[in-house]
Formats: sequence, structure tokens, C-alpha cells
Amino acid sequence: KQEVTQIPAALSVPEGENLVLNCSFTDSAIYNLQWFRQDPGKGLTSLLLIQSSQREQTSGRLNASLDKSSGRSTLYIAASQPGDSATYLCAVLETSGSRLTFGEGTQLTVNP
Amino acid sequence: DGGITQSPKYLFRKEGQNVTLSCEQNLNHDAMYWYRQDPGQGLRLIYYSQIVNDFQKGDIAEGYSVSREKKESFPLTVTSAQKNPTAFYLCASSPTGNGNTIYFGEGSWLTVV
Repeated sequence: KQEVTQIPAALSVPEGENLVLNCSFTDSAIYNLQWFRQDPGKGLTSLLLIQSSQREQTSGRLNASLDKSSGRSTLYIAASQPGDSATYLCAVLETSGSRLTFGEGTQLTVNP
Repeated sequence: DGGITQSPKYLFRKEGQNVTLSCEQNLNHDAMYWYRQDPGQGLRLIYYSQIVNDFQKGDIAEGYSVSREKKESFPLTVTSAQKNPTAFYLCASSPTGNGNTIYFGEGSWLTVV
């Protein structure tokens, strides 16, 4: 059974800092990996999707990498802003179907 | 605007009652999903449907039921058999069952009183 782990569980940084969020998964047979943002009491917003054949994806100040063989992904946030404060979740899609397995998330606080 | 609409936003259930959470999408997506989120935890899959009139159990389907009579609608019923239903419920959809970005609704909070 696929298991997804995110480290750290919580992170507090000053504004302007570059930061890295980590995601690891136990079964490398994945279709893709997605990073999501969740604001308190809200639904999830997709940030980046990396197909299993890709190594990284970029969107603005966000860059996500994928190392499928080692079962790891990182989300890099450049020049963090208070508006980046949220919970970030990663999820992997299994190759056999439509099931996304989520990590427990990293709660990020960016202090002004 | 296109999107996923969940209702109600907040719902209170008495012991022994069944309640139904609504999920409607106008994105013309084939696949729809229901997830449960407990405080400080990730999402767990309850049920999913890849096509009208068909659905599959997820990891925690016990105590829940769904229907998919229309492409745009995927209601979730939380039955009295679900012993710990207090949670945040999220509905999602995607264009097909595999490999596409998944879109989420704003969620519904269910509390047992």
C-alpha cells in the first residue's frame, strides 16, 4: 500500500526566505505527483503536477522536482511571502487507476 | 463560472441520522471523488466514480454510500453506520480517471451533536 510522508509537519520562516518542502512515497510505480495548497477551512488548489516521466515543473516562484527512483519530491518556494502561508499537500496517483494518496501536509507560516 | 459546488458548508447530525452531502460540477468532468479530512491529517478516499452509473469504494467506504445518476452530480450519504463522522468532506473531479489535474470543491463540515 502506497504511503506518502511529508517533512516537516510545520515550518515558520521570515518573509523573503527560500524554502523547501519534502515529500516521500514508498511505491515508485506512480502515474504522477501533484502538489496542492490548502487554506484553513477551504478546499485544495492544485499548484503543480509532475508526470512520472518528468523531473520537474515550474510555476512562478514555485518549482517542484521528482525523483521517482528514490521516491522523493521537493517543492521549492522562492522569496516567500506572507500570502504563501497555508498547508501544502503532496499526492501521488497510482499507475493502476484513479486513486490519489495524500501526505499529511506541511503547515507553512511566513512571517512579515 | 465553472467549478465544483458543495453544499451545505456546515451540517450538524444527530446520532442515528443519515445525512447527504451534495456535490455538483459544471466542468464536464467524467471522474468524481469524495475525500474525508480529519484535523491535521491528509485526505482519505471514500468513494470515486469514473463514469455515470458506476462507482468504486475507496479506502474508508464503510458507513458511506454514493450514487452517480448524472455526470454532474455525485452525492455522498453519511449513514448511521459511520461511527465517527465528524470531519471535513471534500468533493473533487477530474477530466478523466487517469493522469489529469484534480479539482476540489470548498468542502463541507459535518459535526455530530
